[in-house]
Amino acid sequence: KNQVEQSPQSLIILEGKNCTLQCNYTVSPFSNLRWYKQDTGRGPVSLTIMTFSENTKSNGRYTATLDADTKQSSLHITASQLSDSASYICVVSARQAGTALIFGKGTTLSVSS
Amino acid sequence: NAGVTQTPKFRVLKTGQSMTLLCAQDMNHEYMYWYRQDPGMGLRLIHYSVGEGTTAKGEVPDGYNVSRLKKQNFLLGLESAAPSQTSVYFCASSYFGGPGTGELFFGEGSRLTVL
Repeated sequence: KNQVEQSPQSLIILEGKNCTLQCNYTVSPFSNLRWYKQDTGRGPVSLTIMTFSENTKSNGRYTATLDADTKQSSLHITASQLSDSASYICVVSARQAGTALIFGKGTTLSVSS
Repeated sequence: NAGVTQTPKFRVLKTGQSMTLLCAQDMNHEYMYWYRQDPGMGLRLIHYSVGEGTTAKGEVPDGYNVSRLKKQNFLLGLESAAPSQTSVYFCASSYFGGPGTGELFFGEGSRLTVL
């Protein structure tokens, strides 16, 4: 069964600190992996999209890594800001017909001052 | 540049009532989707459309109907609302090529409560 598991479920860090969020998946055949940021009461916004051949991609202070062999991804946030407080959702796309996006439940990050 | 716009943003219904959620996108995207988001669960696909005049069932289609009469609009209907349909509904769109490849653009969500 195609699944996406994220950890931790929630995380609290101090402003200015770094943090890493994890995503493990059992999706096959794999097409791409995305990270979305969802602010409270808003829709998800894309941070990165990585295909099988890409093992790292950055978007400002956000850096995503992908290990397709172990089926793991991480999202590293550098020098966190209060505005980073949000839910971060890992989404894996299966290479098949129709809509094949499998969403993780998300990691809720709280950045405090 | 509005992107994806959903209306209404909030709605309270009584069990058995009907309603329609409207999604409009101004990016000329072929693909449009309706998802629901419930606490402790990932987003789940209700219905989707690969172009004007086409619709298809997603993961949790029961109790919902959709229509895509115009390319820019995707409507989600509840014919007889049930408390289990209390949720936050998100519309999304993507470029031709489908969600497996194209980037998804989401609306701000519509919070529906069924009493």
